[in-house]
Amino acid sequence: EAEVAQSPRYKITEKSQAVAFWCDPISGHATLYWYRQILGQGPELLVQFQDESVVDDSQLPKDRFSAERLKGVDSTLKIQPAELGDSAMYLCASSFQGENEKLFFGSGTQLSVL
Amino acid sequence: AQSVTQLGSHVSVSEGALVLLRCNYSSSVPPYLFWYVQYPNQGLQLLLKYTTGATLVKGINGFEAEFKKSETSFHLTKPSAHMSDAAEYFCALVSTGGFKTIFGAGTRLFVKA
Repeated sequence: EAEVAQSPRYKITEKSQAVAFWCDPISGHATLYWYRQILGQGPELLVQFQDESVVDDSQLPKDRFSAERLKGVDSTLKIQPAELGDSAMYLCASSFQGENEKLFFGSGTQLSVL
Repeated sequence: AQSVTQLGSHVSVSEGALVLLRCNYSSSVPPYLFWYVQYPNQGLQLLLKYTTGATLVKGINGFEAEFKKSETSFHLTKPSAHMSDAAEYFCALVSTGGFKTIFGAGTRLFVKA
């Protein structure tokens, strides 16, 4: 079965450094999501793309976070500068149509900011 | 505003016992409801979903959930727990006409031998 690919699997960085995460959704999935999951909590949506367009980034801390999906396929999430509170699991997901379709998740990137 | 509340951050059962994980939701419009499972250091995977029609929904690995509109609930059950069921379970909703999935805080299931 096709999977959502994410890299790196783990990332350790110092505060004030820049970090970037990459996601390749399942082929043909137009909708791509980035979620942040803090330990002990449910995933929180950071940004949602429909093809190359952002449809929801209301919870994205835009002063330090940015996301792009230039060709409507793979996506990059960047944090600059990283802060201690950014330590979390960053999950990428994709879906075929968006509304009530199930989400397919990658294995995530575990970020630790020291 | 839509929200999902999962009652109990941790549930412990013995192997072979009934599993019951509780989920209540708040939504001004009829929602679509989901249960996802997350194994350690992995992403989430869909267990089952309710959109319309039959209120008792069967999913993978022997799990099922019942949509009860009058109680605004969507509890997850499994008749007999297996050690491999130990994981974190998330209830989620998408409001009809919406494109945003809202997750509950999760319930960690422990299965004792």
